[in-house]
Amino acid sequence: KAGVTQTPRYLIKTRGQQVTLSCSPISGHRSVSWYQQTPGQGLQFLFEYFSETQRNKGNFPGRFSGRQFSNSRSEMNVSTLELGDSALYLCASSLGSQKNTEAFFGQGTRLTVV
Amino acid sequence: EDQVTQSPEALRLQEGESSSLNCSYTVSGLRGLFWYRQDPGKGPEFLFTLYSAGEEKEKERLKATLTKKESFLHITAPKPEDSATYLCAVAPNTGGFKTIFGAGTRLFVKA
Repeated sequence: KAGVTQTPRYLIKTRGQQVTLSCSPISGHRSVSWYQQTPGQGLQFLFEYFSETQRNKGNFPGRFSGRQFSNSRSEMNVSTLELGDSALYLCASSLGSQKNTEAFFGQGTRLTVV
Repeated sequence: EDQVTQSPEALRLQEGESSSLNCSYTVSGLRGLFWYRQDPGKGPEFLFTLYSAGEEKEKERLKATLTKKESFLHITAPKPEDSATYLCAVAPNTGGFKTIFGAGTRLFVKA
């Protein structure tokens, strides 16, 4: 059974640009969550999607947005990049039910903003 | 406010020296508590889910336990390959489907 796939693995962007990251969840999983991980802040929750609907959102500015497609694949977009957006972006997939929230992570996308 | 605190921040052990990592949590109702292992530059690897106080789960040299306020990850006779960051996370009953992570414990096991 294939795991969670994130593309690209590495990305270098310039301040002011925008970026789109992709996440393909485990087959059968309908929930995808996105996290930002930095050495200083640890894993910070960005948002969670289930069946193409955003169910929850963390405390990040509106420059961070996401969407989910009918096949459960998800994309995350960051506009007007800032140096502080440099981080490891992780996505996690789960069944997303009330009783089963075990999440499985991808390898992440390492974004560097210069 | 929902919160997860892990201690210690870092732990250095000799191979074979058993110890425990702590995860204290404050949530308005617990849907589940999770333990993950993360190696440098990689995504977290799922280890355990605990749902209610008194529950225990084991996997190889690791054993996770849960009380109403904290969870412990016991490591028995660790090996150098157990060196990693161990993350604890909670899913509250309220606030939608959101998982809150602790800062992690960096474990170093020396041969």
